[in-house]
Amino acid sequence: QQPVQSPQAVILREGEDAVINCSSSKALYSVHWYRQKHGEAPVFLMILLKGGEQKGHEKISASFNEKKQQSSLYLTASQLSYSGTYFCGTAGIQGAQKLVFGQGTRLTINP
Amino acid sequence: KAGVTQTPRYLIKTRGQQVTLSCSPISGHRSVSWYQQTPGQGLQFLFEYFSETQRNKGNFPGRFSGRQFSNSRSEMNVSTLELGDSALYLCASSFIAGSYEQYFGPGTRLTVT
Repeated sequence: QQPVQSPQAVILREGEDAVINCSSSKALYSVHWYRQKHGEAPVFLMILLKGGEQKGHEKISASFNEKKQQSSLYLTASQLSYSGTYFCGTAGIQGAQKLVFGQGTRLTINP
Repeated sequence: KAGVTQTPRYLIKTRGQQVTLSCSPISGHRSVSWYQQTPGQGLQFLFEYFSETQRNKGNFPGRFSGRQFSNSRSEMNVSTLELGDSALYLCASSFIAGSYEQYFGPGTRLTVT
């Protein structure tokens, strides 16, 4: 079943923070975050594995609450280059490559 | 290291025809997954191959098929094309099978008229 992302779209000014959420109705083993710019391929950001760990990537970090089957992506002090559509992909079984992606969250950063 | 390459990048076909898309993974990557991306349905998993074997398959009709060669290159085939098959087809490779980071190619934009 497809995870639900919220919000569907968000518009920020450069320097502002954003949080994108990803919720699943199924038990999750891993959550994968990707960013896709218009006309380009999705680019891998990070994976969070079962265990509730938090990861960071420059000013982008994420958390994974396995009890709630939720993951959140945090973008702090956003830059123009952060604009794009963010997708979460979920896998419910260790070793399962079949990722199910959410519908995406479109992030627009204005100067 | 070269990224994932897909050919062709753009394709226009007529209903009823068939099409073959190609994907070359990153050197050393043995797992290749295929996805269909449309504005309405988003990113949907088609299938995954590892060491020439299909490991997983998504919920697509049998008109969609694929294969992987010994050099890890993969092809997907769509027979009897329908208008609804118009989409961006993305290929992603990863080092090993499993829930690991995937690297996407630029995709093949298929238009069915």
